[in-house]
Amino acid sequence: GAVVSQHPSWVICKSGTSVKIECRSLDFQATTMFWYRQFPKQSLMLMATSNEGSKATYEQGVEKDKFLINHASLTLSTLTVTSAHPEDSSFYICSARPRGLGTDTQYFGPGTRLTVL
Amino acid sequence: GQNIDQPTEMTATEGAIVQINCTYQTSGFNGLFWYQQHAGEAPTFLSYNVLDGLEEKGRFSSFLSRSKGYSYLLLKELQMKDSASYLCAVSQQSNYQLIWGAGTKLIIKP
Repeated sequence: GAVVSQHPSWVICKSGTSVKIECRSLDFQATTMFWYRQFPKQSLMLMATSNEGSKATYEQGVEKDKFLINHASLTLSTLTVTSAHPEDSSFYICSARPRGLGTDTQYFGPGTRLTVL
Repeated sequence: GQNIDQPTEMTATEGAIVQINCTYQTSGFNGLFWYQQHAGEAPTFLSYNVLDGLEEKGRFSSFLSRSKGYSYLLLKELQMKDSASYLCAVSQQSNYQLIWGAGTKLIIKP
């Protein structure tokens, strides 16, 4: 149980284009989903917290107009990287917190590796 | 401020035991998590401690002392596949976010 999927697994795009990443909780409902970014050999960096039906809360330094987050249902959140540039190349990982659980356990998707040329 | 400290890297031998320590200072506390992350992959959940004491789960055990702001992850009968980074994270009471340590890279040698 507690499976989270991400699509696509990897994507290569040209500079200036937009890329959408989907995060789905497959066997549970998630009231809260989180988006992280991780550069090589570095720790996870939280980008934003997304609650179903409301606006995402972005961490300091993360541009909300560049990283658009939509959490339209209890099983789906999307991250759109708009006007991507090479410095946006990174490993993007989502996680989901199951609804109704007494803990704050987060279950992670497999990640999306984005390369911007 | 918020701070989680864990060693950057540790080396151990296949078949041995290793203990990875984590100390934390956070404004709130609602439990401590350990995750395993293999290179190029996302983290996977290992354990959760909210009460003081030792939680055993197969070859892995996790310990918590809330009064000391201290936890450790104990790995027994080490296997080569245990080579990974181990992330310590603390849950705060207010917003469900986890505060993450930088991770400990564990290298297993034959």
